[in-house]
Amino acid sequence: RKEVEQDPGPFNVPEGATVAFNCTYSNSASQSFFWYRQDCRKEPKLLMSVYSSGNEDGRFTAQLNRASQYISLLIRDSKLSDSATYLCVAPNSGYALNFGKGTSLLVTP
Amino acid sequence: DAGVTQSPTHLIKTRGQQVTLRCSPKSGHDTVSWYQQALGQGPQFIFQYYEEEERQRGNFPDRFSGHQFPNYSSELNVNALLLGDSALYLCASTRGTLDPYEQYFGPGTRLTVT
Repeated sequence: RKEVEQDPGPFNVPEGATVAFNCTYSNSASQSFFWYRQDCRKEPKLLMSVYSSGNEDGRFTAQLNRASQYISLLIRDSKLSDSATYLCVAPNSGYALNFGKGTSLLVTP
Repeated sequence: DAGVTQSPTHLIKTRGQQVTLRCSPKSGHDTVSWYQQALGQGPQFIFQYYEEEERQRGNFPDRFSGHQFPNYSSELNVNALLLGDSALYLCASTRGTLDPYEQYFGPGTRLTVT
């Protein structure tokens, strides 16, 4: 089993829609989790950190379910500019970040 | 406030050659990690440098080596290049003891091995 697994998508949604991505992780000892956003041929950029049950930042909400070992990212009122790949990240037992393959989102007019 | 910088932006090498990639961390950061991102994949951890020492290493062969300088900048060296080494190489920096997981990425070096 991969350490971090994501549905690769692509998710195609219209502007204004709500979309949710799920991610599962295998290391039950992980304490913190992250969502990164990566635009085509650019570097990943930190979107949200999740240290407890969840985190909310404007239109973005991240939730953590430790019992089931999954993290979700909810995007409300999608904008065209939200089109990107969203990477789920769980640190391993050391200092490395374990990335999922990413979920591709395309928001259409 | 300068972010993470990397050089060169693009690089084309021939199989069997050696390459050196460079990274300067974000101001105030003392820890540098290197990641390899193949097309369609998430970044894979290569190694991390802190206090000029390799603190952790991922599942990469010894052909991949690195160095950190007293000013916290870092180099990634890859020897005996293989076609499969073609990828985007990302450098990430953080404050090693305070926020070890909030890593900020540079724009990457796109390496093509022919």
